[in-house]
Amino acid sequence: GAGVSQSPSNKVTEKGKDVELRCDPISGHTALYWYRQSLGQGLEFLIYFQGNSAPDKSGLPSDRFSAERTGGSVSTLTIQRTQQEDSAVYLCASSLALAGMGQRETQYFGPGTRLLVL
Amino acid sequence: AQKITQTQPGMFVQEKEAVTLDCTYDTSDPSYGLFWYKQPSSGEMIFLIYQGSYDQQNATEGRYSLNFQKARKSANLVISASQLGDSAMYFCAMREPPFSGGYNKLIFGAGTRLAVHP
Repeated sequence: GAGVSQSPSNKVTEKGKDVELRCDPISGHTALYWYRQSLGQGLEFLIYFQGNSAPDKSGLPSDRFSAERTGGSVSTLTIQRTQQEDSAVYLCASSLALAGMGQRETQYFGPGTRLLVL
Repeated sequence: AQKITQTQPGMFVQEKEAVTLDCTYDTSDPSYGLFWYKQPSSGEMIFLIYQGSYDQQNATEGRYSLNFQKARKSANLVISASQLGDSAMYFCAMREPPFSGGYNKLIFGAGTRLAVHP
């Protein structure tokens, strides 16, 4: 079946502009995660969705960042008034559900959106 | 707080040889999951192998095996019979328990860049 898809694959924007990044999870996956990978760095968690609700937004770096999920499927990450430090690869991942004790519930990642803020 | 440490920024190996990528972790929770992902130059994170904290045996997936030493809190990835296509960044990650407030988010190490030489 289809994997996680993200669009756009690349985005170049000017400082101060708003951008929207889209994620289509694997069909049937109720859990959705956004991560950010800055140049040469590991991944940092941004936000988690279970269905349409976001019980964990602890990784959003500022109030310029927001995300929503509709229909328990597509998610959009919005960055308002972009800054140069927002330049990074934004990765989306999905999994079947929350794992219980000892269950794997692997997160499967999309190809990412490479954002460059000039 | 949970933490993942990958002490090898870069490694190289000759084609067909085996290589071990190091990963140590720190957590006070008895229930956790450990993952290895591969990130080729294309940028997508590819799931390789999973080890649960309660698993009695070391995980294996084809040419990948995980040397899990729970008392030492290490989860090293062993790649046997290296291939040129194995050249990539490799990330070790730990999944927080679902009801610890972490909601299954992954915590990543800084990664190890592996180069396979012919």
